[in-house]
Amino acid sequence: KAGVTQTPRYLIKTRGQQVTLSCSPISGHRSVSWYQQTPGQGLQFLFEYFSETQRNKGNFPGRFSGRQFSNSRSEMNVSTLELGDSALYLCASSAQGSLGQPQHFGDGTRLSIL
Amino acid sequence: AQSVTQLGSHVSVSEGALVLLRCNYSSSVPPYLFWYVQYPNQGLQLLLKYTSAATLVKGINGFEAEFKKSETSFHLTKPSAHMSDAAEYFCAVSDRGYSTLTFGKGTMLLVSP
Repeated sequence: KAGVTQTPRYLIKTRGQQVTLSCSPISGHRSVSWYQQTPGQGLQFLFEYFSETQRNKGNFPGRFSGRQFSNSRSEMNVSTLELGDSALYLCASSAQGSLGQPQHFGDGTRLSIL
Repeated sequence: AQSVTQLGSHVSVSEGALVLLRCNYSSSVPPYLFWYVQYPNQGLQLLLKYTSAATLVKGINGFEAEFKKSETSFHLTKPSAHMSDAAEYFCAVSDRGYSTLTFGKGTMLLVSP
């Protein structure tokens, strides 16, 4: 069974640009979550999607947005990039996204802002 | 909201020695607790999970963790460290509804020959 796939693996952008990251969950998984990982703040929850609806949201500015498609694939968009957005962005999927259900992570997209 | 605290940002052990990585959580009923491992340039891999079925939880790669409600702890152990165990380990709690995770700051495990 294929795992969670994130594309691209690496991305370099400049301040002010926007970026879109993609995530394909494990087949059959309907919940997709996004996390930001930085050396200073650690792993922080961005948002979670289930059946094309955002069901849960972390404390990030509106520049961070996402969506989920009918096949459960998800995209995350960051507009007006800032230097502080440099991070590893991780996508995770779970079958139903129920409380206590484990999440399975992709290898992440490393975003560097120049 | 719940939180988890991992004591020690770095832990160093010799190959063959006991591994003990500490995790304490803020109290709530019921907690769902997880340990994940992250190797360089990779995502997080689930080691084990506690979901109230048993207090001693066995995971992959010889790791296990014991849930102690009286101490609000969920420490991760392995009897004998291997060089391949060198990685960063994260304790996490599921608390924000659904399966959303709140992570500790992580502990880097260093294994010397």
